[in-house]
Amino acid sequence: NAGVTQTPKFQVLKTGQSMTLQCAQDMNHNSMYWYRQDPGMGLRLIYYSASEGTTDKGEVPNGYNVSRLNKREFSLRLESAAPSQTSVYFCASSETNGLLEQYFGPGTRLTVT
Amino acid sequence: SQQGEEDPQALSIQEGENATMNCSYKTSINNLQWYRQNSGRGLVHLILIRSNEREKHSGRLRVTLDTSKKSSSLLITASRAADTASYFCAFTGNQFYFGTGTSLTVIP
Repeated sequence: NAGVTQTPKFQVLKTGQSMTLQCAQDMNHNSMYWYRQDPGMGLRLIYYSASEGTTDKGEVPNGYNVSRLNKREFSLRLESAAPSQTSVYFCASSETNGLLEQYFGPGTRLTVT
Repeated sequence: SQQGEEDPQALSIQEGENATMNCSYKTSINNLQWYRQNSGRGLVHLILIRSNEREKHSGRLRVTLDTSKKSSSLLITASRAADTASYFCAFTGNQFYFGTGTSLTVIP
């Protein structure tokens, strides 16, 4: 039982490049989330998926897109990376949206130069 | 705008002492949770308190919630070096928000 997995662990992009961060969970959870963590800011919600087939914007969605591929997988795409998107990205999942504990992946450290 | 803030930002104590950290939030909530993050790792859930509860215990953890003041506190009793980590409150309003975190260092 791997819990929540994320790939890649580290990535360096040049400004304007695109990439997709992958996330998968094996706990049969309905809800999945993408956060970014910046120093002194805590975690901020980028997008979430309350259930398979639905996605909604969080607090900081600009510059990102998401896909809930199936119940297990939730990907985050940066279409044209900017230095302001340098951050650590965390994926999480929970049984229901926001009411119960969330389980986090190990994170992806992204640097945009 | 930041929906949740914690204080202190950093806390350093001796092993065996108690550690208290506070969370204030701006929105109405359904529940409030506390998470721990060890350096370079993902967050781990510690405890959840519902909006109609005032206090909850789990092992060495004690959480209080005052919805009239929009605040919560996390008390870790008899701290250990392994408690060294960052601690975040998180709460459900119209979305899910995290506080800014408290960095706790427990000195052996």
